[in-house]
Amino acid sequence: LAKTTQPISMDSYEGQEVNITCSHNNIATNDYITWYQQFPSQGPRFIIQGYKTKVTNEVASLFIPADRKSSTLSLPRVSLSDTAVYYCLVGDPNSGTYKYIFGTGTRLKVLA
Amino acid sequence: DAGVTQSPTHLIKTRGQQVTLRCSPISGHKSVSWYQQVLGQGPQFIFQYYEKEERGRGNFPDRFSARQFPNYSSELNVNALLLGDSALYLCASSFGTRDRGYEQYFGPGTRLTVT
Repeated sequence: LAKTTQPISMDSYEGQEVNITCSHNNIATNDYITWYQQFPSQGPRFIIQGYKTKVTNEVASLFIPADRKSSTLSLPRVSLSDTAVYYCLVGDPNSGTYKYIFGTGTRLKVLA
Repeated sequence: DAGVTQSPTHLIKTRGQQVTLRCSPISGHKSVSWYQQVLGQGPQFIFQYYEKEERGRGNFPDRFSARQFPNYSSELNVNALLLGDSALYLCASSFGTRDRGYEQYFGPGTRLTVT
């Protein structure tokens, strides 16, 4: 299973764009990349999922280079409420041992 | 639509006891996964079920077991509780198929404290 590496923490200011990069050098051909957000004492919340190139939804964008060995979650114009832990995961949903491996995540702190 | 629901919200047990945690997936979702999250760490995968069949198992001892019912709800059982089992137990559901999507939606969790 691919292991992910993310920065432990990041600080940003309200209104700025935040980019969190995740390294997954051993990603397999059938693995998808998924990002989750988690607030204290709550379950993780799905943000975005992609396989290659760029994916965008109403809350974030996910950039995946051609070699897929890394990915970048982009949060436009963050607010104080975006302060949370962000997890990058890789996994093959179609495998017989479908499971997601969460790392330690990136603690994002948004400052006023 | 209601999200993933879990019960109970909080639970306090004594070492050696057994506990059952319950999860109801989002309507239409046929896959349920269980995770353990110790304070300060990311969730650790325990089990995944799809259409009542176990699809995946994490690196947890046999004291942990689970099952999925015909209505796709699920139970996680932990026997012979240890202090180290104290954690937030999360349930996640998804459609679990390529055409419907793999995104997992998590419930609020059950906080288990073992004393």
